[in-house]
Amino acid sequence: GDSVTQMEGPVTLSEEAFLTINCTYTATGYPSLFWYVQYPGEGLQLLLKATKADDKGSNKGFEATYRKETTSFHLEKGSVQVSDSAVYFCALIMDSNYQLIWGAGTKLIIKP
Amino acid sequence: EAQVTQNPRYLITVTGKKLTVTCSQNMNHEYMSWYRQDPGLGLRQIYYSMNVEVTDKGDVPEGYKVSRKEKRNFPLILESPSPNQTSLYFCASSLKGLAGATYNEQFFGPGTRLTVL
Repeated sequence: GDSVTQMEGPVTLSEEAFLTINCTYTATGYPSLFWYVQYPGEGLQLLLKATKADDKGSNKGFEATYRKETTSFHLEKGSVQVSDSAVYFCALIMDSNYQLIWGAGTKLIIKP
Repeated sequence: EAQVTQNPRYLITVTGKKLTVTCSQNMNHEYMSWYRQDPGLGLRQIYYSMNVEVTDKGDVPEGYKVSRKEKRNFPLILESPSPNQTSLYFCASSLKGLAGATYNEQFFGPGTRLTVL
């Protein structure tokens, strides 16, 4: 079945460091891809999405490019801040099915 | 304000004592869903509903029930909770729409942390 694999955490970085969180997927068709963020004690918020190959989603300085050839959707940010500390989830959805398929989540810790 | 609300936010209960977690959305969304979040497993879908009186099982439905009598509400019922249902639960909703699932953002509630002793 469809699945999402993302790098295990926690990922610990210093403020202003470059961030990459890897995400790869397996799907029988052409999914849309998402990154959600969960701040401590809060629910899930959509961070960015891409609906077709080569699309780049971006928001709040974060970017991810939908790479069909490598079935990947890696999350990047050029300069992280302490306020970016959260758990990040990669997810996919097929157009015919409203079920989001989730990765395990990656906890990001940013130290001042 | 457009939102999904869940109640209670925190609940500690004992094995076998029936409980209901409520979920309500004020966005007139057709689609609603329940997920559970467990460490290292991400979120897994329990049940979903495409519209009023239409519900279906997700990946982990055992031990749970749902109902969708009104468009805005989608309660999750645990008839006889067990310790393996200790988890963080999220309700989500989205428009169904003609554009398909990928174009309609799913909105999440704040979560309900359930502990079954």
